[in-house]
Amino acid sequence: RKEVEQDPGPFNVPEGATVAFNCTYSNSASQSFFWYRQDCRKEPKLLMSVYSSGNEDGRFTAQLNRASQYISLLIRDSKLSDSATYLCVVNNGRGSTLGRLYFGRGTQLTVWP
Amino acid sequence: NAGVTQTPKFRVLKTGQSMTLLCAQDMNHEYMYWYRQDPGMGLRLIHYSVGEGTTAKGEVPDGYNVSRLKKQNFLLGLESAAPSQTSVYFCASSRRVSGANVLTFGAGSRLTVL
Repeated sequence: RKEVEQDPGPFNVPEGATVAFNCTYSNSASQSFFWYRQDCRKEPKLLMSVYSSGNEDGRFTAQLNRASQYISLLIRDSKLSDSATYLCVVNNGRGSTLGRLYFGRGTQLTVWP
Repeated sequence: NAGVTQTPKFRVLKTGQSMTLLCAQDMNHEYMYWYRQDPGMGLRLIHYSVGEGTTAKGEVPDGYNVSRLKKQNFLLGLESAAPSQTSVYFCASSRRVSGANVLTFGAGSRLTVL
C-alpha cells in the first residue's frame, strides 16, 4: 500500500465552483501534513500546512481526520489561476527527527471560464 | 534572494555517459534533498542530506550518488546513465523545524537519456 494516495483526477470545474480533494495516508504515526501546488512544468510550492483543528487561508480550507487517516483540501470560488496539480504531502517525523516526506501523485485541477 | 538553484536545467545524455547535477541554496538550510518526478509516479526521494558531510539513501537511490561537501551545495551524480533515468529532477532544501520541514524546491532539471 502506498504511503499517500490521491485521486489523480482530472477535475474540470467552471469558475466560481467549489471543489474538494481528498488524500489518504497509511502511517498512523504521521505527524505533519501539507498541500503543495505544482503548475505545469514548474516546481512544487507550498500551498498550506494542515493543522489538526483544520485551517483556512482565504478561499482554501484544509482538514485533517486522524481517525480515518485522510486530509482534504477545499477550494471555494475557483479561479482560472487555481488550475494546477495539488500534491498531498505527509511527514512521519517526530519532534526534531527529520522523518520522511511522502508525496502523493497529485490531483490535477482545471478551472474553465 | 535566489533560493534554490539547479544546474543544468536541461541535458541530453547517451546511455553510459556520466553527469553531475548541481544544487545550490542560499537560505542556510540544513537539509537538502534530491527527488525525481515521472509521469504518474509523483515525487520520489533519491537521496537526502541532514547536514554538511552527511548523506542518506531515499526511496530510489540505485544508479545515483551524492555529495554534500559544503552546506549550500548538494550534488547528484549519475555514473553510467540509463534510459530509465530519464526524468525531471528536483532539488529541495529545508531548515531544521521540529516535525514540519517545509521544502523549497529548485526549478527542476530535465534529463533525457537516449
